[in-house]
Amino acid sequence: QVQLVQSGTEVKKPGASVKVSCKASGYTFISDDINWVRQATGQGLEWMGWMNPNTGETVYAQKFQGRLSLTRDTSITTAYMELTSLTYEDTAVYFCAKGSGQPIDPWGQGTVVTVSS
Amino acid sequence: DIVVTQSPESLAVSLGERATINCKSSQNVLYSSNNKNYLSWYQKKPGQPPKLLISWASTRESGVPDRFSGSGSGTDFTLTISSLQAEDVAVYYCLQYYSSPRAFGQGTKVEIK
Repeated sequence: QVQLVQSGTEVKKPGASVKVSCKASGYTFISDDINWVRQATGQGLEWMGWMNPNTGETVYAQKFQGRLSLTRDTSITTAYMELTSLTYEDTAVYFCAKGSGQPIDPWGQGTVVTVSS
Repeated sequence: DIVVTQSPESLAVSLGERATINCKSSQNVLYSSNNKNYLSWYQKKPGQPPKLLISWASTRESGVPDRFSGSGSGTDFTLTISSLQAEDVAVYYCLQYYSSPRAFGQGTKVEIK
């Protein structure tokens, strides 16, 4: 079955960067986009961007332009989300999820990122 | 960019009663070439990833109880829970996937009255 498995909890200091991985299995990795979505505590779901694993093409939400980088390693069917210049407001659960031109699904289990001094 | 607006922010419904959630897109999400609305609905519970309930505005996903239904076209959509059960307490989101950037509604918290 299609599965996305994310890396574990991260604790970072303000100003640092975080890189979260998303290991895909059960389908042809390059056949579908990987989206990244986050949810801060008590807040709603926020779409951050997507990456085409075949071409490397990316689209980022305006809010994250300049701070967000989505990459992939096709040899190990893994996508990455790197967010730089972290602030307390970046404390959230980060999800990867599959989908392009179709509903975003399935989702990874989520990665907790805490920004704390 | 398409903006998606959900209402209400929260609602409390008695067990067995109907819950209705609305989602309005700032632009048409109906793709004329295939007559499909690029709008989906998700259920979000604490500590879990979002669960896809409805795709293409009205297609219920496999395994989703038939008390959940989606309707609407173009810019106005509705998620209906026909007979609320205790396990339906959650936050519900709509998502437009017609164009980039994708956009979620703000979410609707459903509780038991």
